[in-house]
Amino acid sequence: AQRVTQPEKLLSVFKGAPVELKCNYSYSGSPELFWYVQYSRQRLQLLLRHISRESIKGFTADLNKGETSFHLKKPFAQEEDSAMYYCALHTSGFQKLVFGTGTRLLVSP
Amino acid sequence: NAGVTQTPKFQVLKTGQSMTLQCAQDMNHNSMYWYRQDPGMGLRLIYYSASEGTTDKGEVPNGYNVSRLNKREFSLRLESAAPSQTSVYFCASSNSGTSGSRAYEQYFGPGTRLTVT
Repeated sequence: AQRVTQPEKLLSVFKGAPVELKCNYSYSGSPELFWYVQYSRQRLQLLLRHISRESIKGFTADLNKGETSFHLKKPFAQEEDSAMYYCALHTSGFQKLVFGTGTRLLVSP
Repeated sequence: NAGVTQTPKFQVLKTGQSMTLQCAQDMNHNSMYWYRQDPGMGLRLIYYSASEGTTDKGEVPNGYNVSRLNKREFSLRLESAAPSQTSVYFCASSNSGTSGSRAYEQYFGPGTRLTVT
């Protein structure tokens, strides 16, 4: 079965520190992976998708098929990055995403 | 463009009461979804509708029913609310007719916070 694992419920860092939010998936085929973000009192929104290989708000994520990982990274965290982050997996043939349990990132001044 | 809208924003029910959560999207998307969000559990899919006229169960469908009224609207009904259904409910939509990864990008509503006492 397809599964997404985010091992950290809470990640607390200081402003300016590097951040890595971990995401591992289980799927034997070619996955499509996404990171969604939910800021306080706002709706979930797409942050980035692996296929675009883009950097959004300084965040990047690389798909590592060997390690079945899609970790989200940012070299210098900002206070406004504090939010809930969800990793999501789409597998071919299904009209839906599988979400991880989420990691709350807290960036302190 | 309002995107995905949900009503109500908040609701308190007594055990056994029924209610319907409404969702509408104005992006001409084919697919719509209902999730519940609980602490430590993340987002769990309740039901989804791949296209107008079809609905399918997700991960946690028990205690819920859905109706895809038309392409725009997808409602979630609780026939007999239970305290275990206390949660935040999100509706989402996606344009499954688009090619590539954009077909699976989901757009979310603001959520409905439901408390069952």
